[in-house]
Amino acid sequence: AQSVTQLGSHVSVSEGALVLLRCNYSSSVPPYLFWYVQYPNQGLQLLLKYTSAATLVKGINGFEAEFKKSETSFHLTKPSAHMSDAAEYFCAVSDRVGYSTLTFGKGTMLLVSP
Amino acid sequence: DVKVTQSSRYLVKRTGEKVFLECVQDMDHENMFWYRQDPGLGLRLIYFSYDVKMKEKGDIPEGYSVSREKKERFSLILESASTNQTSMYLCASSGRTAWNSPLHFGNGTRLTVT
Repeated sequence: AQSVTQLGSHVSVSEGALVLLRCNYSSSVPPYLFWYVQYPNQGLQLLLKYTSAATLVKGINGFEAEFKKSETSFHLTKPSAHMSDAAEYFCAVSDRVGYSTLTFGKGTMLLVSP
Repeated sequence: DVKVTQSSRYLVKRTGEKVFLECVQDMDHENMFWYRQDPGLGLRLIYFSYDVKMKEKGDIPEGYSVSREKKERFSLILESASTNQTSMYLCASSGRTAWNSPLHFGNGTRLTVT
């Protein structure tokens, strides 16, 4: 079975600082990897996805993630945090290819202070 | 844009009641999913369906059932609600394959069982 580990249930940054949210995966086959964001009182929305086309993936709102097979990692970064980035972020790995079932990490809450 | 609509934003039910959570998507997606979201546990898959009248158990199906009579509608049923089913329930839909059709989520139904 595939799994995802997100390091840190909460990450705090100052506005303008680098954002780094960590995700490590476990998979016996080449994975598809995703980052989703959840704003308060909303469902999840897709930030970016890795499907083997390029190891550095750019997403919405200035976020990007790099797939590193040797480290089994897919960390999410943003050069400069904005107050509107405060949300919960979920890393996910695909499972049962063909049925699009995803396995999610436990989430990381990003707190941005002025 | 894909729209996934969950019929209720908040529900309060009593222990032992039969509860129906409804979800409708408007993009002709093959796959539909029910997740529950709990603090510190992330999202856990309850059931999913890859076609009309088809269903597959996810990671935590106990105490739940589902129904998919039409392609656009996927219902989650709690046969006899219990307090440990108090949670946020998220419905999602996607196209056939993970790599080109990520999940689209509804805004969730927060269920409280008293």
